[in-house]
Amino acid sequence: DAGITQSPRHKVTETGTPVTLRCHQTENHRYMYWYRQDPGHGLRLIHYSYGVKDTDKGEVSDGYSVSRSKTEDFLLTLESATSSQTSVYFCAITGVGPSGTYEQYFGPGTRLTVT
Amino acid sequence: QQPVQSPQAVILREGEDAVINCSSSKALYSVHWYRQKHGEAPVFLMILLKGGEQKGHEKISASFNEKKQQSSLYLTASQLSYSGTYFCGRVGGGSNYKLTFGKGTLLTVNP
Repeated sequence: DAGITQSPRHKVTETGTPVTLRCHQTENHRYMYWYRQDPGHGLRLIHYSYGVKDTDKGEVSDGYSVSRSKTEDFLLTLESATSSQTSVYFCAITGVGPSGTYEQYFGPGTRLTVT
Repeated sequence: QQPVQSPQAVILREGEDAVINCSSSKALYSVHWYRQKHGEAPVFLMILLKGGEQKGHEKISASFNEKKQQSSLYLTASQLSYSGTYFCGRVGGGSNYKLTFGKGTLLTVNP
């Protein structure tokens, strides 16, 4: 357990409304990530962070923004939600595993439905 | 660009073996393997760091051919608990530990 929580776990929202998803970690990891998972596409990186206020885009960043004002929190915002953003969103961190290598650990996920 | 996994799906009987392949058109510096059970988060299985290196996790092992930019996951004497979707993740250059995942291979183990 890498101490990662996501909130909310489920959300239904209407097209055009802003939505913010929160990822919280308790172990002071530097690297944090947001992925979306859709059938047939696997896991795709939206944005990631390599420190407080240091973020960068992933492969599917259009329509999403992120912020990280504290080490423990990484927020994902959908400025104006669209139906194509209906997905399961996973937060992840990179930590050092038992063998000393860098591994990614995932949060439980947030299921977002945009109607 | 996402690594390409094959096969997309495989069905086994308990005790049978399976191989899942992962290939990349871009340079592979390391490969991660994850397993995801339905409705759950992906879970780390192993990381391959060097060309030709093999690693193991229970009866699951993997190889990494840096030259061919390929990795393979070997599941031996499969158990019902091995069912799930397996993802490989490619790490390219740079130091931000950014993973690009394949689309996954759905493995079903039946009694």
